[in-house]
Amino acid sequence: GAVVSQHPSRVICKSGTSVKIECRSLDFQATTMFWYRQFPKQSLMLMATSNEGSKATYEQGVEKDKFLINHASLTLSTLTVTSAHPEDSSFYICSAKGVSNEKLFFGSGTQLSVL
Amino acid sequence: TQLLEQSPQFLSIQEGENLTVYCNSSSVFSSLQWYRQEPGEGPVLLVTVVTGGEVKKLKRLTFQFGDARKDSSLHITAAQPGDTGLYLCAGERSSGTYKYIFGTGTRLKVLA
Repeated sequence: GAVVSQHPSRVICKSGTSVKIECRSLDFQATTMFWYRQFPKQSLMLMATSNEGSKATYEQGVEKDKFLINHASLTLSTLTVTSAHPEDSSFYICSAKGVSNEKLFFGSGTQLSVL
Repeated sequence: TQLLEQSPQFLSIQEGENLTVYCNSSSVFSSLQWYRQEPGEGPVLLVTVVTGGEVKKLKRLTFQFGDARKDSSLHITAAQPGDTGLYLCAGERSSGTYKYIFGTGTRLKVLA
């Protein structure tokens, strides 16, 4: 089946630094990628939807300047958490959907810890 | 605003028991997926249902999509400890742009 690679799987950073998370579709072209945030023992909350070559669509309450999303190619989307603070600590998950694919494939997630 | 409500939120049962998880919404979805997630990992797709009234079986798991495509259920027969995990339903909305909205989640623990 289709594979989505998310990297890094875990990152620890100091408050005020920026962190970039990559999401790659390995064997299909992902026209649409989604970024989710998940708090411990809770469900996934959609942060934004990105389509290749266009600006991401952010959900209400998600700061565009805080969470920068770039989907420059059909196989790569990145999420950059800028000037991270402890409250940004969370599990971030990406998912990808291809043109001819009804299914949604998930990355393995990134655990971000901001000290 | 959580568009998809799952019930129960938590469930702890003995091995061999049956259970049903519900996923309800007031919105219509073009398709609905069920996932299982282990701690520290991404969700793993179990099934996709597309047609109203559709029933799909995956070994001991039975999934049903409501006739109006607003709700779904997951029934597990003879639960096993390996079924333990977070079960998530996700609805796909395709009005305008594609968007997948996740349910509130059901945390299942099956005791040996």
